[in-house]
Amino acid sequence: AQSVTQPDIHITVSEGASLELRCNYSYGATPYLFWYVQSPGQGLQLLLKYFSGDTLVQGIKGFEAEFKRSQSSFNLRKPSVHWSDAAEYFCAVGGPISNFGNEKLTFGTGTRLTIIP
Amino acid sequence: EAGVAQSPRYKIIEKRQSVAFWCNPISGHATLYWYQQILGQGPKLLIQFQNNGVVDDSQLPKDRFSAERLKGVDSTLKIQPAKLEDSAVYLCASSLGPGLNLYNEQFFGPGTRLTVL
Repeated sequence: AQSVTQPDIHITVSEGASLELRCNYSYGATPYLFWYVQSPGQGLQLLLKYFSGDTLVQGIKGFEAEFKRSQSSFNLRKPSVHWSDAAEYFCAVGGPISNFGNEKLTFGTGTRLTIIP
Repeated sequence: EAGVAQSPRYKIIEKRQSVAFWCNPISGHATLYWYQQILGQGPKLLIQFQNNGVVDDSQLPKDRFSAERLKGVDSTLKIQPAKLEDSAVYLCASSLGPGLNLYNEQFFGPGTRLTVL
């Protein structure tokens, strides 16, 4: 069964510093991968997604993620964080492959990002 | 374009009481999802509708949870009777169709936070 692991429950970075949030997945084939952000009191917003092709994916709000098959990872990065980036970040995998055309999202447990001035 | 609307935003009930949540998806979206997000966890799919039919309810605790999507637009999720472990945020999402691909994104509502005392 597909699964997602986000090893960092909480990360604190200074405003202007770079950011990397880790995500590891378990899946039997080439996965569909996603990063969502959830601000307090808000629903989830899609930051970026990977289906195939270029392993470096650009998203909204200056975020990018890199798919590394050998490491089963899809880490999220941002070169310089802003105070408004403080939120909860969820990595998700879409599948299963046996359900082509009706894939479901399986989410990780999330990483809470705190920004200090 | 209006997003996914949910109400109420917050609800506090005592165990064994009943509660209902309402969702209005984005206009034209045929697929509707209900997710349960327990504190400290990622969202978990409860039920998926395609128009007014249920596509997947394999993770819905059917002894106490029910959902309907009359006329294929709005949807209601009900819990009766509620248990303490039902305390969570209930998220509604909608998409043009089922599955995950470059052109089919799930859009999430702000959620309803349920506290069961």
